[in-house]
Amino acid sequence: QSALTQPPSASGSPGQSVTISCTGATSDIGGYNYVSWYQQHPGQAPKLMISEVTKRPSGVPDRFSGSKSGNTASLTVSGLQAEDEAYYYCFSYAGNNNLLFGGGTKLTVL
Amino acid sequence: QVQLVESGGTVVQPGSSVRLSCAASGFTFRTHAMHWVRQAPGKGLEWVAVIWYDGSEKYYADSVKGRFTISRDNPKNTVYLQMSSLRVEDTAVYYCARDPPASGWTLDCWGQGALVTVSP
Repeated sequence: QSALTQPPSASGSPGQSVTISCTGATSDIGGYNYVSWYQQHPGQAPKLMISEVTKRPSGVPDRFSGSKSGNTASLTVSGLQAEDEAYYYCFSYAGNNNLLFGGGTKLTVL
Repeated sequence: QVQLVESGGTVVQPGSSVRLSCAASGFTFRTHAMHWVRQAPGKGLEWVAVIWYDGSEKYYADSVKGRFTISRDNPKNTVYLQMSSLRVEDTAVYYCARDPPASGWTLDCWGQGALVTVSP
């Protein structure tokens, strides 16, 4: 099964908002509310930022929010800060006990 | 605190076998499903396998099905990934990750990773 589709890159200036999309199909994102988002800085392990489309774990700044419309999930980072510069990956249940990551988006803070 | 520590990373030739281990601490291991996720050098994340909290169910990505086996030893708080018939394209950092009960397939804690290099 193919990976979920994310834009390779996104950028914004400090203080701005940026939204990263993750497009799948009715068999994955569109069929379940099991989308999560992970932040990965170079050389580090991924970190959970959003679970089940919209839930923000304890310790994650409220600048990070998630949403979903149809077969596309989105991660919005508001009030961009320098430390938000990283790769972001979406992850979704795809039915039949199969799971998919997106290809990843490199977020640059200008 | 919650901790996952992978071990067993190595350099091997194509066709070889390797077993990775992931030792868990700081939480009730036997109540959590566990996953393996890999990342080839300079590439994105790829889900590899999951095992139910009690080991009763195991599922794999198509790319590793029939070659990799996930298992766990709850009394030892450890999850394993047995990799056989390794290919050059299996070269990656392998992460174990925790999936809490009723979390909707969420990986809320990750290890630091173990590098497996498959090279002729």
